[in-house]
Amino acid sequence: QLVLTQSPSASASLGASVKLTCTLSSGHSSYAIAWHQQQPEKGPRYLMKINSDGSHSNGDGIPDRFSGSRSGAERYLTISSLQSEDEADYYCQTWGTGIVVFGGGTKLTVL
Amino acid sequence: EVQLLESGGGLVQPGGSLRLSCAASGFTFSSYAMSWVRQAPGKGLEWVSAVSGNGGSTYCADSVKGRFTISRDNSKNTLYLQMNSLRAEDTAVYYCAKGGSAAAGTRSEYWGQGTLVTVSS
Repeated sequence: QLVLTQSPSASASLGASVKLTCTLSSGHSSYAIAWHQQQPEKGPRYLMKINSDGSHSNGDGIPDRFSGSRSGAERYLTISSLQSEDEADYYCQTWGTGIVVFGGGTKLTVL
Repeated sequence: EVQLLESGGGLVQPGGSLRLSCAASGFTFSSYAMSWVRQAPGKGLEWVSAVSGNGGSTYCADSVKGRFTISRDNSKNTLYLQMNSLRAEDTAVYYCAKGGSAAAGTRSEYWGQGTLVTVSS
């Protein structure tokens, strides 16, 4: 079964960097994923796609301080030079034939 | 500029029906899959259904199978979600999303602002 696992919460200081993790279920470690940001009281916004080889491509207008990487079944979203507006929920997403799955989301607090 | 504008949400009684629409602009509509994703109050994102660019393939989550039907009219650049036999647990904000490719199984690359569906007596 295709499942994505995320930690419920994370925190980091203003100006620092943070790395969020999304883990693919067993047998699905080669899947591509996408990351989305949802600021409070707003709709989701697409951030990037991370390909199975670990390369990533940011969505339109997404600054370079948002980057992606992978290690095995783990997919990462790294946000550098944290700003107050980065405080949000972050969701990973993956897909296959006939199915699309979201992770449970990580609430990022900027201290 | 890609724009997705949902409409059709509202208050409906349990067992009732509702049809959501999503008007798309700013891209070649028929070249991309489209999907519906919902978010219950205080909860995370849940994929509901997707349709391929040409409308030939449709998929839906087990939670709505047999009750919800996704469709699209490429001549009108519009996506639909027909929701029947609605339950309280279907209460959510429903988002329309543009896919990253024509295949129904793909990432959500752009999102609408959402429309609220409330199922209550």
